[in-house]
Amino acid sequence: DAKTTQPPSMDCAEGRAANLPCNHSTISGNEYVYWYRQIHSQGPQYIIHGLKNNETNEMASLIITEDRKSSTLILPHATLRDTAVYYCIVSDRNAGNNRKLIWGLGTSLAVNP
Amino acid sequence: EAQVTQNPRYLITVTGKKLTVTCSQNMNHEYMSWYRQDPGLGLRQIYYSMNVEVTDKGDVPEGYKVSRKEKRNFPLILESPSPNQTSLYFCASGRGGNSPLHFGNGTRLTVT
Repeated sequence: DAKTTQPPSMDCAEGRAANLPCNHSTISGNEYVYWYRQIHSQGPQYIIHGLKNNETNEMASLIITEDRKSSTLILPHATLRDTAVYYCIVSDRNAGNNRKLIWGLGTSLAVNP
Repeated sequence: EAQVTQNPRYLITVTGKKLTVTCSQNMNHEYMSWYRQDPGLGLRQIYYSMNVEVTDKGDVPEGYKVSRKEKRNFPLILESPSPNQTSLYFCASGRGGNSPLHFGNGTRLTVT
């Protein structure tokens, strides 16, 4: 079972910020939160990841709550090309050296003109 | 350009006819993995490899084989494909630690 909970779908107006929430209440101290997205049926694309601190890169910002039980991915100025399924993933600490990610069904984000 | 290349992108075959889906990465990554994606189930790991000659089963390995004879290549082999292996397949690679995974563009396999 996925270790994260995300809303199945969201809408956002083009040019506005898209805020995608994720709950990961059972996260352990050494587990990272990763965000990927998948456009149509293309390969998942890495967006950002973090452990405790908020992170920002050229694509997005990641806000992790202090208790680490939830996080929010922020796309500051959404465009039509950001329409995709967004996956919030917590690394599997029981996987040992296997870099296995446990994928849920993600949030389908629709950016509207 | 750093990338993971899968071939073919689309494949239609018949039950029992052996096939191989190739995966190659040019980033010198030690770790490689295969996933399948089915509607309503998300991505599930089939096999993974920590390095050359080191492979291990993921969550859904039945009916699949892999090999890792070279660092850059990680082919997925279906010795006797069945219709329940109709799926979208992704290969991924990554460095060690918590660095992100890079995915190929997928192979859509249909077994009739």
